[in-house]
Amino acid sequence: DQQVKQNSPSLSVQEGRISILNCDYTNSMFDYFLWYKKYPAEGPTFLISISSIKDKNEDGRFTVFLNKSAKHLSLHIVPSQPGDSAVYFCAAKSGGSNYKLTFGKGTLLTVNP
Amino acid sequence: DAGVIQSPRHEVTEMGQEVTLRCKPISGHNSLFWYRQTMMRGLELLIYFNNNVPIDDSGMPEDRFSAKMPNASFSTLKIQPSEPRDSAVYFCASSLTDRVYGYTFGSGTRLTVV
Repeated sequence: DQQVKQNSPSLSVQEGRISILNCDYTNSMFDYFLWYKKYPAEGPTFLISISSIKDKNEDGRFTVFLNKSAKHLSLHIVPSQPGDSAVYFCAAKSGGSNYKLTFGKGTLLTVNP
Repeated sequence: DAGVIQSPRHEVTEMGQEVTLRCKPISGHNSLFWYRQTMMRGLELLIYFNNNVPIDDSGMPEDRFSAKMPNASFSTLKIQPSEPRDSAVYFCASSLTDRVYGYTFGSGTRLTVV
């Protein structure tokens, strides 16, 4: 039972355009959400996060939006750059645990020059 | 800082053999996590140590899997006997606290059991 779902295995966009990566979750106890980026042969690296008390968090070209009623979050990258090409994982933390992350399966983003 | 160091990077072994994966966390971090990545299930938490003590091993798939942390700078994940379905990428991560915000992942060990 996947509690965090990334329904798009892959996404391809042109350099300079917006990339939108989506994530849905089913567990109402999740209170903190994170996005990780992973390059081949490397471990995931933290990108951006959002608390459930907010609906938006921005960091440079990266913005995460949270819609709690829809149990949906999205990561926007504007403008997209070829170096952004990677696998992006959505992850969530339950309010009952400080340490345990539940990950989605990831979305492979390819930014074409 | 060299980050979280995992060894080996790749491991190919025959079914039934023992496999040991190793992890050196970032110095000063007191929380250590072992994750497994598969195509079917994505990234799953296997076990979590805090101050070298296993706190949550509910993700360990079965008794064939065991993990130890004999000191603050070293952890092992052992599979005995290994099976083809254990083939996956195994990641170690460490953190300064027991909170998710500061996870740093290693580069992973790609295990193939034939």
